[in-house]
Amino acid sequence: LAKTTQPISMDSYEGQEVNITCSHNNIATNDYITWYQQFPSQGPRFIIQGYKTKVTNEVASLFIPADRKSSTLSLPRVSLSDTAVYYCLVGDYGGSQGNLIFGKGTKLSVKP
Amino acid sequence: EAGVTQFPSHSVIEKGQTVTLRCDPISGHDNLYWYRRVMGKEIKFLLHFVKESKQDESGMPNNRFLAERTGGTYSTLKVQPAELEDSGVYFCASSPTSGRALTEQFFGPGTRLTVL
Repeated sequence: LAKTTQPISMDSYEGQEVNITCSHNNIATNDYITWYQQFPSQGPRFIIQGYKTKVTNEVASLFIPADRKSSTLSLPRVSLSDTAVYYCLVGDYGGSQGNLIFGKGTKLSVKP
Repeated sequence: EAGVTQFPSHSVIEKGQTVTLRCDPISGHDNLYWYRRVMGKEIKFLLHFVKESKQDESGMPNNRFLAERTGGTYSTLKVQPAELEDSGVYFCASSPTSGRALTEQFFGPGTRLTVL
């Protein structure tokens, strides 16, 4: 499974756009990129997944360049409730493999 | 729709005692997973059930841990005897199908286990 590197922490203010970049230089052809969000005292929550180019849903956008060696999670106009840890996961989770590999994540703090 | 539930939310036991954690997945989800985060460490995979069968138990730390999923519904994770290093938060997750959907796992709130 590809190793991921992401910033330990980030600070932002309400209303700003936040971009969290994850590096995954040894991503494999069959690997997908998935992001999870975790609030204090809760389990992780799936946010978004992509393979290449751009994916957007009601929560976030995921930008993946052509070489797929990195990805950027974009949170538009964050609010205080977006304060959480964000995990970037890379792997081929198809078939029977279901063991998600969590790294240290990025702790996002949104200030008023 | 009810989410993944876990019981108890907290458990404090002494070293050498036995503790059983329970997870109720989302109804209809065949896949059930256990993860844990020990103090200061990352969330680590323990095992994966497909219905009542253990699909992957490569993350189970040792034979003091026993997971079951009789009938393919709820699951239990028993730690016997508990050691100090077992303290942490135990998460359960479920997902409905195989394939790519495995990456969208629905997590419960976790059980915080403290071994004294």
